[in-house]
Amino acid sequence: SVVTQPPSASGTPGQRVTISCSGSSSNIGSNYVYWYQLLPGTAPKLLIYNNNQRPSGVPDRFSGSKSGTSGSLAISGLRSEDEADYYCATWDDSLTAYVFGTGTKVTVL
Amino acid sequence: QVQLVESGGGLVNPGGSLRLSCAASGFSFSDYYMSWIRQAPGKGLEWVSYVSASGVTTYYADSVKGRFTISRDNGKNSLSLQMNSLRVEDTAVYYCATHPDGGGTTYYNYDGMDVWGQGTTVTVSS
Repeated sequence: SVVTQPPSASGTPGQRVTISCSGSSSNIGSNYVYWYQLLPGTAPKLLIYNNNQRPSGVPDRFSGSKSGTSGSLAISGLRSEDEADYYCATWDDSLTAYVFGTGTKVTVL
Repeated sequence: QVQLVESGGGLVNPGGSLRLSCAASGFSFSDYYMSWIRQAPGKGLEWVSYVSASGVTTYYADSVKGRFTISRDNGKNSLSLQMNSLRVEDTAVYYCATHPDGGGTTYYNYDGMDVWGQGTTVTVSS
């Protein structure tokens, strides 16, 4: 993928975990970043849209930001139910495609 | 109840065709861009295609361009994906979903409506 994420991240309950999403000027640098949560056996869920907006019902423990060609997702007050795969996504102007990041598995220790 | 219900998945031979359908209810379907996203076994998420709210504008991933066609019928609140010349590597769970991004179009005021289908399995194998 043209957008890369660390393969894994972890933390203990109550901690803050941050996941990065690295792209380029043709994607993150000029477009919005989105974040999805994927729990086993369930459909994905949109956590963050337009860099830092939360859909209704998403806890404010989840927050997003963007700087230059990178985006990040922060999970504060980590809970056991946050153990899941997380994907960033963005539009790529060169590919004219919506691209997902490589995904990050979050483990709650 | 806000929901998307998919149908049409199944087992098909390489080179064959399949049509996926997605029925929307409980929200203003015609206001939203819609997409198909898939997840192959043991793999990550892959965006397949999206269609604008009016149905005029469509985009496809390179991996399916020329083989798949997305369409919508706002009068029937339905979304479809016609899949031709299927390959083994198209095997995946396919999801329809409201699409949040207006990339490639001039204006899209997305309001956070996040709706997904339950997923339908497509298996391409001889």
